[in-house]
Amino acid sequence: AQSVAQPEDQVNVAEGNPLTVKCTYSVSGNPYLFWYVQYPNRGLQFLLKYITGDNLVKGSYGFEAEFNKSQTSFHLKKPSALVSDSALYFCAPRTGANNLFFGTGTRLTVIP
Amino acid sequence: EAQVTQNPRYLITVTGKKLTVTCSQNMNHEYMSWYRQDPGLGLRQIYYSMNVEVTDKGDVPEGYKVSRKEKRNFPLILESPSPNQTSLYFCASTPGPNYGYTFGSGTRLTVV
Repeated sequence: AQSVAQPEDQVNVAEGNPLTVKCTYSVSGNPYLFWYVQYPNRGLQFLLKYITGDNLVKGSYGFEAEFNKSQTSFHLKKPSALVSDSALYFCAPRTGANNLFFGTGTRLTVIP
Repeated sequence: EAQVTQNPRYLITVTGKKLTVTCSQNMNHEYMSWYRQDPGLGLRQIYYSMNVEVTDKGDVPEGYKVSRKEKRNFPLILESPSPNQTSLYFCASTPGPNYGYTFGSGTRLTVV
């Protein structure tokens, strides 16, 4: 069975510190991996993706993610957090043409 | 501006009264999907469409219908809404599996 886990419901980090939001997955085949962000009262916005190639991918707003095949992880990272990064983050593996499924989300709070 | 437009943004209705949530995209995307977002459950796919007249069930299709008569439109139909369909609904579109989804702003539905 396919699954995705975001083990932390809440992550707090001080402004200017590095942040990590964790994601592990279990899917059949080679997954495409996505991260999305949801700001209050807004739809989800695409941040970045891993399809193939370099394990470190860079995306919008200074975010990056590292694909680790042996650990089946795709953690989201940013070297220096901003207060405006406070939002709900979703990891979403995708297999096949349209079978995109989402984790339960991690709420990131950046403390000034 | 490239976007996915959902209407209405908010809807309160009574059990059993048929309703339609509209979704339209102006990016000529092939793929469209409907998701519902519930606390603690993340986003779950209701239905998806890979092209005009091609639709298929997602993870939670019970109680919903969709149609794709035109490429740009993908309405979600609740023939007989029930309180357990109270949720936040998102429509999304993408040009294909290698790309991220563009999401609409969401429809908050309350069924009483």
